[in-house]
Amino acid sequence: SQQGEEDPQALSIQEGENATMNCSYKTSINNLQWYRQNSGRGLVHLILIRSNEREKHSGRLRVTLDTSKKSSSLLITASRAADTASYFCATDKTNAGGTSYGKLTFGQGTILTVHP
Amino acid sequence: KAGVTQTPRYLIKTRGQQVTLSCSPISGHRSVSWYQQTPGQGLQFLFEYFSETQRNKGNFPGRFSGRQFSNSRSEMNVSTLELGDSALYLCASSLEAGSFPSGPVGEQFFGPGTRLTVL
Repeated sequence: SQQGEEDPQALSIQEGENATMNCSYKTSINNLQWYRQNSGRGLVHLILIRSNEREKHSGRLRVTLDTSKKSSSLLITASRAADTASYFCATDKTNAGGTSYGKLTFGQGTILTVHP
Repeated sequence: KAGVTQTPRYLIKTRGQQVTLSCSPISGHRSVSWYQQTPGQGLQFLFEYFSETQRNKGNFPGRFSGRQFSNSRSEMNVSTLELGDSALYLCASSLEAGSFPSGPVGEQFFGPGTRLTVL
């Protein structure tokens, strides 16, 4: 089962514009991570934000986390055609106890298309 | 450091057959997780291995199994293949892999995946 949902499902923008993707999740978390996937290949880690952090930056990426609303957003500034990919948020903690060993729970992803 | 490698990259099987997929983690990473990705269900956690022990398992039938060797390389096996097993199978290695009951899971490094098609 999916921990969260991403919004929008698809986003189409022009090069140079900013892209904002949102993620909601259902349970308390330790970390929230964002990954990128190009056309059915492996996932590439973009950024990790801990539950006690509110905002984090990495290059053209800005991630915010609101644990009270159980939501996160990923902002990509000055988008490039090479940013075209699917973007997933992933969380590491689920309901009903048990262990978190090695388990990330992914959202359905946002498909970003950046037109040159 | 070399990244996570998976073999084979593509595989075509028929229903009823079995398949074994291999994953070599980044040197020094002892935790290996496996995921199944399909258009309908998205990314689903299969299981995690650490020091040759399965520590966590997702909600998949017993036809899905795995193991880890002393060098941290991991294999997953799917027996009696069904059409619905067609998917991209991804493995990921990490240093910080969580704890009991629900400790933090850190960055995971993914391999390129094995695309399995069941006919």
